Parts: sequence; structure tokens; C-alpha cells
Amino acid sequence: DADVTQTPRNRITKTGKRIMLECSQTKGHDRMYWYRQDPGLGLRLIYYSFDVKDINKGEISDGYSVSRQAQAKFSLSLESAIPNQTALYFCATSDLKGTEAFFGQGTRLTVV
Amino acid sequence: AQSVTQPDIHITVSEGASLELRCNYSYGATPYLFWYVQSPGQGLQLLLKYFSGDTLVQGIKGFEAEFKRSQSSFNLRKPSVHWSDAAEYFCAVGLNTGNQFYFGTGTSLTVIP
Repeated sequence: DADVTQTPRNRITKTGKRIMLECSQTKGHDRMYWYRQDPGLGLRLIYYSFDVKDINKGEISDGYSVSRQAQAKFSLSLESAIPNQTALYFCATSDLKGTEAFFGQGTRLTVV
Repeated sequence: AQSVTQPDIHITVSEGASLELRCNYSYGATPYLFWYVQSPGQGLQLLLKYFSGDTLVQGIKGFEAEFKRSQSSFNLRKPSVHWSDAAEYFCAVGLNTGNQFYFGTGTSLTVIP
């Protein structure tokens, strides 16, 4: 099994719908991240969490929210999806010192 | 603000030729430095990383990278490219507090026979 698992892997949703992307990890890491990847823009940080009680906004948090349900679970929600949120979304984890980021396989989200 | 620059959006090389992908960063101190590779439809896999010490680091799949403090660069190299190296390559920096990882915009590598 993968260390960082994202569900679903692919999703098509309609404008205005609420959608949740889920991430779970078996690395035992406290730190978890959600990134968005767009062609030519690389990966941009949406939210990150240092532990269950600590949530921080990244550079592009508008239109998104997150929930850290447990050390191993970190979900990303789009309250009202819009077409420009069509992208590839990655969850990642790291240890306390940030010696490496471990990535999930990604969720390809299409908003129509 | 921290930034990572990968000046080459796309590179095409012949199989067997050497490869160098450029990366420059902007940060007040020496951050942790990483190169990741993303194959089509896949997540990001770590190729190599630099924290301190020897400025030439070896990674997986025959890749290496050299840290040059004076140039704020961390360029990725491979002596002989294989067709399977075709992928997207990302340079990243990380604060040693583990707060965030900052990624470049990526370099897409095409390998021609």
C-alpha cells in the first residue's frame, strides 16, 4: 500500500457543487500539505497542517478549506467548485524537520 | 520571499546525451534543496536532496546535483539520458523548520531516439 493515499484519483464535478478530496498517510508524520498543480505554474501550496490542532493557509487558500481529522487524515474541500479550480491536487507529508516531502498519487479534478 | 526558478520550461535531448537542468533559489540562508521527478500520471518521486556537507549529491536513476552557494543554484545532471527519463522535473526548497516546501515551475524533458 502507498504511504500517502489520495481519494478519489479522478473526479468530474459541476460548478457550484461541494467536493471533498481525502488524504491519508501511514508515514506517522505530523506535517501534511495540500498542493495544486497547474501546467506552467508548478506546485502551489493551498493549506498545511503541523498537527491536528494547527491549520495554516498557503499561498492560494481562497475557495478552499481543510480539515485535519486525525494525525493520519487531512481532507481538502471546495465549498462551491468553479471551473478555474480544475487542476491536479497533491497531498504530501513530511517529518518535523522537513527532510523530505512524500507525495500521494494525485487527484485530477475537473469542474465543468 | 522565497522563490525557486527553473528557467527552462522544456528541454529536448537525444538518448545517450548528457543533461543539465537548471535551478536557482532565493532565500536568506541555505535551505534544504530537492529535485523531484513526475512521470505522466504519477505523483512526485524524490531524486535527490541536499542539506549540508559535500556539495555534489548523488541520487537515484543515475542523477546528481551540485549545490553552488555563490550562485544560489542547485543544478541537476545526468551523464547519459535514457528514454525512460522523459518526465517533468521539479526543483524545490524547504525551510529547515519543515514549515513549507517551495517548488519551481518545472522543466519538461523530452528524450528523442
